Amino acid sequence: DVKVTQSSRYLVKRTGEKVFLECVQDMDHENMFWYRQDPGLGLRLIYFSYDVKMKEKGDIPEGYSVSREKKERFSLILESASTNQTSMYLCASRKNRDRIHEQYFGPGTRLTVT
Amino acid sequence: AQKITQTQPGMFVQEKEAVTLDCTYDTSDPSYGLFWYKQPSSGEMIFLIYQGSYDQQNATEGRYSLNFQKARKSANLVISASQLGDSAMYFCAMRDSGGGADGLTFGKGTHLIIQP
Repeated sequence: DVKVTQSSRYLVKRTGEKVFLECVQDMDHENMFWYRQDPGLGLRLIYFSYDVKMKEKGDIPEGYSVSREKKERFSLILESASTNQTSMYLCASRKNRDRIHEQYFGPGTRLTVT
Repeated sequence: AQKITQTQPGMFVQEKEAVTLDCTYDTSDPSYGLFWYKQPSSGEMIFLIYQGSYDQQNATEGRYSLNFQKARKSANLVISASQLGDSAMYFCAMRDSGGGADGLTFGKGTHLIIQP
């Protein structure tokens, strides 16, 4: 079974802190994604990565950056956390672009910025 | 720009009844894929079913089927013989092959509650 794990289920940070959200997959997937989920808005794509060292902006990249130094790990970085970044963050991975129907999600990290 | 619309914010259904969750989409791309995900209260997104735009037959996976009406741009999820464990948020999503972001575009979701 594909397994996508996220470093924390719940996280509380203060405004202005630098925040790292980690995502790891164990199935040698090339593509990885970060979404945020807010009530009434569904999921929105923040950043994605086709492969190691590659990254592409999604629909709402402002205030975020990402890092993909190793194939199995995709990190989302909030350089200076703000209260409007309080949200549920979901990581996903996919084998490659030819397998678009096989996108697997992690359990999510609920981040609260106070 | 692609867009997914789920018009039912919430639904109450009696156990064992069939459920239809609505989803309409908008894309100008001839090649696209449609997905349904289930999100229980635990938070994890669970993939249910996939339909490609060129697939001739409607997708089915166990109790789940996708009623794909291409001309209407509709991709409703049908759950047969609902169970209490089906209570969850359900999201319709789409990916097309156009430029820009390569992730999925999600609808706002439908909160399904199955009543005994």
